[in-house]
Amino acid sequence: DQQVKQNSPSLSVQEGRISILNCDYTNSMFDYFLWYKKYPAEGPTFLISISSIKDKNEDGRFTVFLNKSAKHLSLHIVPSQPGDSAVYFCAASGYHSGGYQKVTFGIGTKLQVIP
Amino acid sequence: SAVISQKPSRDICQRGTSLTIQCQVDSQVTMMFWYRQQPGQSLTLIATANQGSEATYESGFVIDKFPISRPNLTFSTLTVSNMSPEDSSIYLCSANRDGYGYTFGSGTRLTVV
Repeated sequence: DQQVKQNSPSLSVQEGRISILNCDYTNSMFDYFLWYKKYPAEGPTFLISISSIKDKNEDGRFTVFLNKSAKHLSLHIVPSQPGDSAVYFCAASGYHSGGYQKVTFGIGTKLQVIP
Repeated sequence: SAVISQKPSRDICQRGTSLTIQCQVDSQVTMMFWYRQQPGQSLTLIATANQGSEATYESGFVIDKFPISRPNLTFSTLTVSNMSPEDSSIYLCSANRDGYGYTFGSGTRLTVV
């Protein structure tokens, strides 16, 4: 059962335009959401996060929006740059039965920013 | 956030053999995590490793196949035992020092032939 879903495997955007990456989740116990960026041959790097008590978090060109009622979050990148080309993973965190936060990842969306 | 050095970065192994992957963190962390990313799949948590106790394995993963060591607060190893081609994957370690801040190693790309 995929608890974190990224339904778009890939996305192409022109440089300077907005990139919107979407993510849906099914587990209402998730209380923290994260986006990671991954370049080939590297591990994922943390990009931005949002707590379930907020509906928006902004960090420079990156903004994450959370719609709890729809169990949906999105990452906006404005303006998109060629260096943003990478795989973006949506992740959700909630307390595991062992008493610690467990992070569940989506399958990733490959973003290509075209110069 | 912590910096993690993971090695080897890649390896090609014969079936039936074992490979041990190491992760060194530049600061003390309470919890370390091991993930697997199979082709076309998301990162899947294999187990959580706390220092001084046995690792906690997720459903579908067992200690005999993926033994983990956590001898201190800055180091952990994952062994992939008795490998088969189905174990070909990227293996990643992760550490959590600041609550929700997870840092990842660069990954080990394993190919079993």
